[in-house]
Parts: sequence; structure tokens; C-alpha cells
Amino acid sequence: TQLLEQSPQFLSIQEGENLTVYCNSSSVFSSLQWYRQEPGEGPVLLVTVVTGGEVKKLKRLTFQFGDARKDSSLHITAAQPGDTGLYLCAGPANFGNEKLTFGTGTRLTIIP
Amino acid sequence: DSGVTQTPKHLITATGQRVTLRCSPRSGDLSVYWYQQSLDQGLQFLIQYYNGEERAKGNILERFSAQQFPDLHSELNLSSLELGDSALYFCASSIRQDLTPGLAGGRTYEQYFGPGTRLTVT
Repeated sequence: TQLLEQSPQFLSIQEGENLTVYCNSSSVFSSLQWYRQEPGEGPVLLVTVVTGGEVKKLKRLTFQFGDARKDSSLHITAAQPGDTGLYLCAGPANFGNEKLTFGTGTRLTIIP
Repeated sequence: DSGVTQTPKHLITATGQRVTLRCSPRSGDLSVYWYQQSLDQGLQFLIQYYNGEERAKGNILERFSAQQFPDLHSELNLSSLELGDSALYFCASSIRQDLTPGLAGGRTYEQYFGPGTRLTVT
């Protein structure tokens, strides 16, 4: 079973600061996805990274896939209260498998 | 709006009862996934259906069952409910997306989640 560990588990920072959260595994993933979930709502897909070393930007969010495709990071610049939520990474359980393995999540709180 | 709908939004019932949760996937999506999320817990995969057939099973209890109908909507049945079954239940749908040719074994299965059903067992 491929496991995805996310760190930190909890992060609380002031508005305007920068932050990075991590998603790590000992296994290789063909792709990784990042989701954001707000309280009481379903996760919302933010991005999919596919190629080792790939960097994708979504406004103030920068996603990177590790060269070996075992890890990924999410960097947020100038965090805003609207960034508050649970950030989940996920990847196919096995190559070619539709079932996703979800990470443990990082619960981010941005303090105004 | 993800295009995935779930009903009901909230459900309160007593221990020992049976409930049915309903999910309609995005138009064109053939796969439906069910997840359970308890307080302060991650998403626990329960079961997947693809075009009416069971495709993968996760940590689903024997008291729970699901099915996907010809119109592709899915139902999750929870019976003999216990207090510990109180949780958010999400369904998600996806359509297989092939990656750029040449990337061996590479496909993405991006999932789109519904708003969830909050089940409270008293």
C-alpha cells in the first residue's frame, strides 16, 4: 500500500506570510493531486502534477512534483484568510489504478 | 460547483436504523467513489463503482453496501447503524484522463467531490 504523509499536520500563520506544506512517500506515483477542503464541504481539486520536477502555479499557490515523483510541495505566497482549509494530496494507489490514496492532510489557518 | 450532487445534506437517525445516501456523478463520469470522513480524520475510501460494476473496495464494513444504477447514480446503504458511524460521507466521480503519450502507466484520475452528507447517529 502506498502511503502519503503530509507535514505539518497543523499550521497557523498570520495573513501575508509565506508557507510551504509537504507531501511525502517512499513510493513512486505516476501523478499527484492537491485538494483543498473547507469545513463541512467536499474537497476541491486544485491541481494535478504529472512530470518529475514539474512546477505549476495557481495564482499565489505554487505546486512542485519531486524529481523522483515520490514527493510534492505546495507553497503559498502572501497567505490570505481565504486560504484557510484542509489541504490534501492524493495519488493513484498503483500505476494505472483509478483508486486514489489520500494523504493525512495539513490543516491550515490564516489569521487576519 | 463540482457537478456532483448528494442527498440528503444532513441525516439524523437512531442506532440500529438503516439509511440510504444518494449520489449523482458529473455528466459523463462513469466512476463513482464513496468516502467516509470522521471528525479530525482523513478521507477513508469505502468503495468504487465503474459503469455499474464494483471496481475497488476499501475499508467498508459488512453493514455497508453500495450500488450504481444504469443511469450512473449511486446509493450507499448503511444498516444497523452505530454511534461510531456518525461522519461525513462523500461521493466523488471521475473520468479517466490519459496523460501525454510516452509516459508509461501514466493516467490521471482526478476526482470531483460532492458536498457530502453529514450523518449523525444518536
